[in-house]
Amino acid sequence: GAVVSQHPSRVICKSGTSVKIECRSLDFQATTMFWYRQFPKQSLMLMATSNEGSKATYEQGVEKDKFLINHASLTLSTLTVTSAHPEDSSFYICSAGGAAAGELFFGEGSRLTVL
Amino acid sequence: DAKTTQPPSMDCAEGRAANLPCNHSTISGNEYVYWYRQIHSQGPQYIIHGLKNNETNEMASLIITEDRKSSTLILPHATLRDTAVYYCIVARGGSNYKLTFGKGTLLTVNP
Repeated sequence: GAVVSQHPSRVICKSGTSVKIECRSLDFQATTMFWYRQFPKQSLMLMATSNEGSKATYEQGVEKDKFLINHASLTLSTLTVTSAHPEDSSFYICSAGGAAAGELFFGEGSRLTVL
Repeated sequence: DAKTTQPPSMDCAEGRAANLPCNHSTISGNEYVYWYRQIHSQGPQYIIHGLKNNETNEMASLIITEDRKSSTLILPHATLRDTAVYYCIVARGGSNYKLTFGKGTLLTVNP
């Protein structure tokens, strides 16, 4: 079946640095991808909708200058956490819809730890 | 999107059927019921979805009441690997829809 892959799966960085997370649809094209964030023992929170060839749409309360999203091709979306701080430490998950309606595929997630 | 209500946790014995309920009394006519699960520290996994009719696939069965205000996900023979948080989500269909996750039900399958 369709697969969505994220890289890296784990990243540790120093406060103030920027971190890029990649989300790839491996065997299908995705004009739209979604980025979620999940804190420990909490549910997934939608951060933004990534649109191929256009600007991302951010959910209320999510800083677009802090979380830069680029969807340059039909198989790749990237999330860059700029000037990361310890409070940005979280599990970041992307998803994309397959060709058939009704099913979203999720990546394995990327765990970010900011020291 | 309509809101859903699920019990925070449930237990099930290995090999028995697990029945996970979900209330979605404000569901509208063009909204589907989706079920996903998340095993610890992994991305969510699609299980099944339906509009009005009951659905079955290799993973589970979905029973939707006639008034569509509630549904039940059935795992016919639960295994230890089915221990996960199960999310019931109501949303419009289409290949480019966004899902809003609630708190879900933590299903623990016991040996």
